[in-house]
Amino acid sequence: ELKVEQNPLFLSMQEGKNYTIYCNYSTTSDRLYWYRQDPGKSLESLFVLLSNGAVKQEGRLMASLDTKARLSTLHITAAVHDLSATYFCAVDMGDSNSGYALNFGKGTSLLVTP
Amino acid sequence: GAGVSQSPSNKVTEKGKDVELRCDPISGHTALYWYRQRLGQGLEFLIYFQGNSAPDKSGLPSDRFSAERTGESVSTLTIQRTQQEDSAVYLCASSFYGTNNYEQYFGPGTRLTVT
Repeated sequence: ELKVEQNPLFLSMQEGKNYTIYCNYSTTSDRLYWYRQDPGKSLESLFVLLSNGAVKQEGRLMASLDTKARLSTLHITAAVHDLSATYFCAVDMGDSNSGYALNFGKGTSLLVTP
Repeated sequence: GAGVSQSPSNKVTEKGKDVELRCDPISGHTALYWYRQRLGQGLEFLIYFQGNSAPDKSGLPSDRFSAERTGESVSTLTIQRTQQEDSAVYLCASSFYGTNNYEQYFGPGTRLTVT
C-alpha cells in the first residue's frame, strides 16, 4: 500500500521566518505533486516534480524531490500571511487501473502570524 | 479558459435518499478522477475514467456508490441510500493522459451533508 506522510501536520510561523514541510512516501515514484487548499476551496496545483533532483520555485515557495530517499520538501522563505493555507503533497499511482490517481498526505495546515 | 466545474456546490440530503453529483471536466481532458475529502482529512481516491471507461471500481467505498462518464465529457457520481458517513466534499479532477501530461486540475467540489 502506498503511504504518503507529511510533517508537520500543523505549523504556526511568524511572518518573515523560513520553514520546511517534509513529505515522505513509501514506494518508488518519480512524480510528486504539491497542492494548496484554502479553507472551503478546492485544490490549487503548486508544483509537479517529475524526476530525481527536480527543484521548482514560485515566489516564496520552493519544492524539491529526492526519489532515492523518497522525500520531497516544500521550503517557505520569509513567510507572509497570504501563505496561510493547507498544503498537500501527493504521489501518483501510475498504473492502468487508476491512471495517475493521486495518493495524498494528510496535509500541513500552515498559519502565518504577524 | 473554463476549468473543471461541479454541481451542485452544496447538497443536503436525508439519510436513505439517493444523490447524483456532476462533474464537467476541462474540454479535451481524457482522464477524469473522483476523490472524497472528509472533514479535516486528506483526499481519498474513488475512481478513474480514461475516456468513458473505468478500469477499476474497487476504490468506490461501497456498492451504494456508482459512477459513469459519457461522451468523454461529463461524469456523474451517484450515491444510493445515503448514510451519514457519506458526508464529505466530493472533488473531481481532470487531465490529459500521456507522457509528461500528469497535472490534474480540480473542480470546486460538491459538499454533501447527510442528515
